[in-house]
Amino acid sequence: AQRVTQPEKLLSVFKGAPVELKCNYSYSGSPELFWYVQYSRQRLQLLLRHISRESIKGFTADLNKGETSFHLKKPFAQEEDSAMYYCALKGRGGSEKLVFGKGTKLTVNP
Amino acid sequence: DTGVSQDPRHKITKRGQNVTFRCDPISEHNRLYWYRQTLGQGPEFLTYFQNEAQLEKSRLLSDRFSAERPKGSFSTLEIQRTEQGDSAMYLCADTGGNSGNTIYFGEGSWLTVV
Repeated sequence: AQRVTQPEKLLSVFKGAPVELKCNYSYSGSPELFWYVQYSRQRLQLLLRHISRESIKGFTADLNKGETSFHLKKPFAQEEDSAMYYCALKGRGGSEKLVFGKGTKLTVNP
Repeated sequence: DTGVSQDPRHKITKRGQNVTFRCDPISEHNRLYWYRQTLGQGPEFLTYFQNEAQLEKSRLLSDRFSAERPKGSFSTLEIQRTEQGDSAMYLCADTGGNSGNTIYFGEGSWLTVV
């Protein structure tokens, strides 16, 4: 079964502090992992995907197959990072289905 | 805004009524998806189309739900005999005309069944 777990519903940090949003997954194989973000009053949008190995808006995420994790990190949080963050998984068996976690609401305080 | 467009944005309906949502994708003849999102949950996959062919359906898509994409362009999602448990945000997404894996979501259609 495919499952994505985001253990924290809410995460609050101060501006300039490091932030880590946790994501663990369950999948018998090598999935594709994504992070999506939804800013207030905006649509859900892709933040980054693990195959690109890129840094977007200062965020990075490393796929750890041993721990089945794909945590999202940023060394210095900014107020504009406040948003809902969703981790998502896509299997490699031909399905186009994205399985999302329940999301973490990040608040960056001034 | 030239992204995925959904209509109506909000719908309040009485239990037992039928409702239909429309999705206009960024471009035609690509993959188009429907997801459902309830409060406190992430989006849940319902179904997807490649052009006009419906290629995958979730078990969440009961026989009261039907989705179509008749000409490979816009899509509709109909819910018959609505129940209070159908209250949710219905999200449409597409691949925006590229062959990659980036999915672009619409703003969603909020359904409230009273």
